[in-house]
Amino acid sequence: DTTVKQNPRYKLARVGKPVNLICSQTMNHDTMYWYQKKPNQAPKLLLFYYDKILNREADTFEKFQSSRPNNSFCSLYIGSAGLEYSAMYLCASSRGTANTGQLYFGEGSKLTVL
Amino acid sequence: LAKTTQPPSMEAYEGQEVNVSCSHTNIATSEYIYWYRQVPHQGPQFIIQGYKDYVVNEVASLFISADRKLSTLSLPWVSLRDAAVYYCIVTSNTDKVVFGTGTRLQVSP
Repeated sequence: DTTVKQNPRYKLARVGKPVNLICSQTMNHDTMYWYQKKPNQAPKLLLFYYDKILNREADTFEKFQSSRPNNSFCSLYIGSAGLEYSAMYLCASSRGTANTGQLYFGEGSKLTVL
Repeated sequence: LAKTTQPPSMEAYEGQEVNVSCSHTNIATSEYIYWYRQVPHQGPQFIIQGYKDYVVNEVASLFISADRKLSTLSLPWVSLRDAAVYYCIVTSNTDKVVFGTGTRLQVSP
């Protein structure tokens, strides 16, 4: 099974409210990623976990939190959603640190903030 | 920042062969070339990867120039289902995959 599963697929949130997105994979991959995708823009890397080590991109450092309680699961947490957070959030995983260009993506969680 | 440059869009008719180019003039010896495509409402899907010369799989072919600064993804006999945004990515074993703006392929009947 090479699928990455994301929940929920669609999320509606109010401005100022928290949002929690969940991702799971059963491929025993070491690395899990979160990307943000807005219409007509490239997917933007937000953060990734290699094993238990979290790496966050500098420009998103304070906006997104994440946890990885075990190898299979990874969450993306927004403490206080703003209108600019409306986007598709893509989770991906990859094996190890070598040749990590091959990522397996989930179908995404579409977040709409009102 | 993305390390690749692609044409923003291309158009083709069903049944045509499509070649999508990607420039990566500063590619390092440790870096590989990967291609993905993304259709609306889905995550990107891996197509093919290569380091040099020529790679082929059941979906596509990948040609890489001798100096590795240019690669071309070749899609034989495109159909309407091939309409997507195609991303070319170069990366090494640093666990960081950065997408550029990609090439939007439109396919007409």
